[in-house]
Amino acid sequence: QKEVEQNSGPLSVPEGAIASLNCTYSDRGSQSFFWYRQYSGKSPELIMSIYSNGDKEDGRFTAQLNKASQYVSLLIRDSQPSDSATYLCAVMIRNDMRFGAGTRLTVKP
Amino acid sequence: KAGVTQTPRYLIKTRGQQVTLSCSPISGHRSVSWYQQTPGQGLQFLFEYFSETQRNKGNFPGRFSGRQFSNSRSEMNVSTLELGDSALYLCASSPVQVANTGELFFGEGSRLTVL
Repeated sequence: QKEVEQNSGPLSVPEGAIASLNCTYSDRGSQSFFWYRQYSGKSPELIMSIYSNGDKEDGRFTAQLNKASQYVSLLIRDSQPSDSATYLCAVMIRNDMRFGAGTRLTVKP
Repeated sequence: KAGVTQTPRYLIKTRGQQVTLSCSPISGHRSVSWYQQTPGQGLQFLFEYFSETQRNKGNFPGRFSGRQFSNSRSEMNVSTLELGDSALYLCASSPVQVANTGELFFGEGSRLTVL
């Protein structure tokens, strides 16, 4: 089992829709979770962090965490074409930042 | 404030050669982490350096090594290159050890092609 798993996609949504990105992790002791965005040909950048069970909202982005299910998700409301990118789930496992393979999102005008 | 700078940006090597990549972190950042990114495996952790000491190491063979200098600049070296080492190597800096923050600032990467 991979330490951090994501649906590779690609995921395609129409402009204005909600995009839902999912991630599971293997280490039950993990406490820190992150979402990075990577535009094509660019380097990853941090967009959200979450540490407690529940939801954390930041503008159009909502991160959700369920430690019992070892599940993290990212919701993007009112998706825009500029949101088209690969979204990387990252989990702090044994003091290392471990990344999922990423989900490629395309938002169609 | 300058970002993370990686050199060279592109390089081509042949099997059996060795390569050294360089990373200059954001000013004031003391942690430097290295990742390998490939289409099939995604981002894989190589190692983290903090205050000139390797703090953590990923699951890579000993051919992959690194070091950090007193000015926080870091280099990674890959010896006896194999075709499978072709990848984008990303460096990321952080003001403190990654375990204490989780926020990584990535450079643009060094794209290595092994022929």
